[in-house]
Amino acid sequence: NAGVTQTPKFQVLKTGQSMTLQCAQDMNHEYMSWYRQDPGMGLRLIHYSVGAGITDQGEVPNGYNVSRSTTEDFPLRLLSAAPSQTSVYFCASSTTGGQDYEQYFGPGTRLTVT
Amino acid sequence: SQQGEEDPQALSIQEGENATMNCSYKTSINNLQWYRQNSGRGLVHLILIRSNEREKHSGRLRVTLDTSKKSSSLLITASRAADTASYFCATDPYNQAGTALIFGKGTTLSVSS
Repeated sequence: NAGVTQTPKFQVLKTGQSMTLQCAQDMNHEYMSWYRQDPGMGLRLIHYSVGAGITDQGEVPNGYNVSRSTTEDFPLRLLSAAPSQTSVYFCASSTTGGQDYEQYFGPGTRLTVT
Repeated sequence: SQQGEEDPQALSIQEGENATMNCSYKTSINNLQWYRQNSGRGLVHLILIRSNEREKHSGRLRVTLDTSKKSSSLLITASRAADTASYFCATDPYNQAGTALIFGKGTTLSVSS
């Protein structure tokens, strides 16, 4: 299994541009989440999904959209990039099948907005 | 605002010593998890403790939970250089079976040989 994969690994955007960060998992996990991590900070929850067709907002959802049309994919869309969105973005998945509800994280996407 | 706050922010020890990190949180929880992050990579789950547990062990890790004080501690015994990483506590205040975690800012542990 590849686990959780994220593309691209690095991205530079200009202010006002839009883009989609891709996230896919091959573990048949029902749950998926997006986080951002700023320097010296923990992760902050952007959006999450408990199944295909179901999404909800986390701590910092403004400026981001998500959709979950399949179990495997959970893309994150930046509508109009701003310098404040410069961050490392992590996608994670988990399942209720495990006892410990542990989240499996992707390697991250480093985004710079100039 | 973030749910968990770790203390200390940074910790430097020698190999073989024990490392203790503390976490405080704000709301009631069903469980609390600890994760490790190596040098900006994705987080790796270490251990989960449920609200009805007071202590849990996993290898060299020992976690305690005091729900009356809304605090938890992570003890790493006999530290190794490979334990050098950032450690985060995380809670699930949305009650979504662990899919929507709120993380603290982390403790950066440096273990020197």
